[in-house]
Amino acid sequence: GENVEQHPSTLSVQEGDSAVIKCTYSDSASNYFPWYKQELGKRPQLIIDIRSNVGEKKDQRIAVTLNKTAKHFSLHITETQPEDSAVYFCAAGDSGNTPLVFGKGTRLSVIA
Amino acid sequence: DVKVTQSSRYLVKRTGEKVFLECVQDMDHENMFWYRQDPGLGLRLIYFSYDVKMKEKGDIPEGYSVSREKKERFSLILESASTNQTSMYLCASRFRFRQSNQPQHFGDGTRLSIL
Repeated sequence: GENVEQHPSTLSVQEGDSAVIKCTYSDSASNYFPWYKQELGKRPQLIIDIRSNVGEKKDQRIAVTLNKTAKHFSLHITETQPEDSAVYFCAAGDSGNTPLVFGKGTRLSVIA
Repeated sequence: DVKVTQSSRYLVKRTGEKVFLECVQDMDHENMFWYRQDPGLGLRLIYFSYDVKMKEKGDIPEGYSVSREKKERFSLILESASTNQTSMYLCASRFRFRQSNQPQHFGDGTRLSIL
């Protein structure tokens, strides 16, 4: 089955700097890659997703890139702000009904 | 906006008790999921359901069972609670669209303590 590895497990950046979180997956059939943000005490919420027919997707300060050949995808957050502090999860899924497989999460701390 | 509601935010039970965690979604989603979340271990899938009356084991089903009698409700059951089941439990639902994977929408979670 699918296996998703996520790095780093913790990340501290200065406010205004960029943050990058990387994930690798094992199943070449995976074609859907969402990213979730979980603030302290709250539910995981979808922040951006990408499908395998696209190499990059942006939404304001966040972007996701996908390299299908290398089986890795990354989340980029630019101009980080204290409210970006949270746990971020990557996930991978194939077509249809199979559940998403999640990485173990990255705790991002943005230091003011 | 998708609403996934878990019946309790916090729950305290004793070892050996039968515990029910309830989850309701209001978007007519076919798929529903139960995860537990522990520090350093991420989100681990316990059980999921493709549709009403259907259930599939996830990665860590031991000690748990589920029920999906109605499309909007997915219940997680701890048959005989043990202290190692103390955890945060998250429910999620998802719309099934042809052969295209879709985002999962999460509830607020139930923090369960077994004493």
